[in-house]
Amino acid sequence: EVQLVQSGAEVKKPGESLKISCKGSGYIFSSHWIGWVRQMSGKGLEWMGIIYPGDSDTRYSPSFQGQVTISADKSISTAYLQWSSLKASDTAMYYCARAAPGSYFGMDVWGQGTTVTVSS
Amino acid sequence: QSALTQPASVSGSPGQSITISCTGTSSDVGGYNYVSWYQQHPGKAPQLMIYDVSKRPTGVSNRFSGSKSGNTASLTISGLQAADEADYYCSSYTSTSIPVFGGGTKLTVL
Repeated sequence: EVQLVQSGAEVKKPGESLKISCKGSGYIFSSHWIGWVRQMSGKGLEWMGIIYPGDSDTRYSPSFQGQVTISADKSISTAYLQWSSLKASDTAMYYCARAAPGSYFGMDVWGQGTTVTVSS
Repeated sequence: QSALTQPASVSGSPGQSITISCTGTSSDVGGYNYVSWYQQHPGKAPQLMIYDVSKRPTGVSNRFSGSKSGNTASLTISGLQAADEADYYCSSYTSTSIPVFGGGTKLTVL
């Protein structure tokens, strides 16, 4: 079964760092783009960025450039999303998703989501 | 990179057909045949319903169809069912090589 499994919910304080993960299984992880999507409570979906694990080609949406770092370790089929200094406004649900074979970012497999809460 | 424009809400009765529009520019929707549509039920992860404008993933009902004309893409749901009540998002590849979502549309089945 093709699936993406994300790390568990996080509660952090402003200024702290955080790295969440997304582990793929059931397919060749290095051959599919992985995207990260933010969803703030009651709001819509926002693309944060995408990475191709095969060569670590990474692209960021303008709103998130410089705010987060996306990476991947193809040896363990895992993608990451990290913050160096969290803000309260980073409180949201974060999803990773896989691009369908042959598709330009039609994301056919989604992780279950990771809730990040940033509060003092 | 602005979000694509979708109606905030649409509604329809069971058995009817509805269409959700997604308007962009020549730098996204109009420039590429890479529009996707996602369904999201409350508390759940999004699910891909349509990709590359009109292709359906395996397992998605043929009641869902996609099309595009100029800078506007559309998702049509025929034979509306109660289970179709959800939020729907379009997404398009863009000239910046990163996709963009629409603002989302809440579908209510009356």
